[in-house]
Amino acid sequence: DSGVTQTPKHLITATGQRVTLRCSPRSGDLSVYWYQQSLDQGLQFLIHYYNGEERAKGNILERFSAQQFPDLHSELNLSSLELGDSALYFCASSRGGREDQPQHFGDGTRLSIL
Amino acid sequence: AQKITQTQPGMFVQEKEAVTLDCTYDTSDQSYGLFWYKQPSSGEMIFLIYQGSYDEQNATEGRYSLNFQKARKSANLVISASQLGDSAMYFCAMREGFRIQGAQKLVFGQGTRLTINP
Repeated sequence: DSGVTQTPKHLITATGQRVTLRCSPRSGDLSVYWYQQSLDQGLQFLIHYYNGEERAKGNILERFSAQQFPDLHSELNLSSLELGDSALYFCASSRGGREDQPQHFGDGTRLSIL
Repeated sequence: AQKITQTQPGMFVQEKEAVTLDCTYDTSDQSYGLFWYKQPSSGEMIFLIYQGSYDEQNATEGRYSLNFQKARKSANLVISASQLGDSAMYFCAMREGFRIQGAQKLVFGQGTRLTINP
């Protein structure tokens, strides 16, 4: 158990819909990262928050947004969903931003767009 | 830009044998970290081992060790005495130094699917 909690584990929805993925980081971790894993793109970094502030953006679509709340949990919002958004979405957390700190991953949310 | 290359899409190994999973990387930074993760068929990502660019000794964690050759830019994962439960996808990842804007992200290779045969 990594200590990172993601909900829900599975989501099935239709094109055009909006969903929210939730992540609770490990106790004491200030950084939260979101990654997308798909068959064609592999594991791609989406966005990083540190203590409530956005720190870096990766290949995140404009239809996607995220935030980190004062209690450090984070939400990833995906809107106007397309078939290609079907993927496994991971949240990871770490203490801070040093390069020697591993990111611990949650179990992921598997999103299926029908 | 950072790049991680894992050239072995799949590997098949007999139980109890040692196995080496290859990883080469490309970076222009002097300060970076290299990580290995395991992803079983159930989907979760499990952190295995870390190697820093300034570490003089190869990292070890139980049956996992990292064969770090900085000049060759390689960071191969060695699993000793393989077990059936080691069957999984293995990802090599890199993180550049803290002073680079947005460097905290991990860049992953495409992964190697390891199958341990009884």
